Amino acid sequence: DIQMTQSPSTLSASVGDRVTITCRASQNISSWLAWYQQKPGKAPKLLIYKASSLESGVPSRFSGSGSGTEFTLTISSLQPDDFATYYCQQYNTYSPRYTFGQGTKLEIK
Amino acid sequence: QVQLQESGPGLVKPSQTLSLTCTVSGGSISSGGYYWSWIRQHPGKGLEWIGYIYYSGSTYYNPSLKSRVTISVDTSKNQFSLKLSSVTAADTAVYYCAREPPGYNCFDYWGQGTLVTVSS
Repeated sequence: DIQMTQSPSTLSASVGDRVTITCRASQNISSWLAWYQQKPGKAPKLLIYKASSLESGVPSRFSGSGSGTEFTLTISSLQPDDFATYYCQQYNTYSPRYTFGQGTKLEIK
Repeated sequence: QVQLQESGPGLVKPSQTLSLTCTVSGGSISSGGYYWSWIRQHPGKGLEWIGYIYYSGSTYYNPSLKSRVTISVDTSKNQFSLKLSSVTAADTAVYYCAREPPGYNCFDYWGQGTLVTVSS
């Protein structure tokens, strides 16, 4: 199985800060990496697909980068609505096809 | 606007079969080359992909659950379903259905999720 490791597990930041979350894959996954935002009691929301493509309707302050085994999600200027848990998700042609990182909780400092 | 809605019992007894249905509205389950998945989230934990189905009926399951999972589709009702057999307390989770667009290899639309508790 391909393991996805996110860091940090928890991140404290303030409105206006620039923050970066990292996701590492245990094997090369090319650019098959997505990022989601999840708020309590809600389903995950797709932010970024194919490592760096911004999903329609997602604010441009969100950006993704990376390929191979190391990926990052950056929020350029935190807004109050951004405090949530973020998950990365990989796809590969082996089993299981999709696995998620353990999540990064973004908290208000 | 595509919407997905999970439905089914919120309480299942140990050793029984968990059955959920996802109803898709705002688009046909048969069109566009989409894959339709089930994903679960244990309370306070991360996300686990269970399996997917294509409108033609072809399926692919997570090997960790494969022996207990069946996903089926009913195109006439624009629904797909999950059956998970021989459940235990470890299967207590929020279950989501989700859509994967062609070429995305990730999930762009999700249902709101339904909590299924396994308890006697």
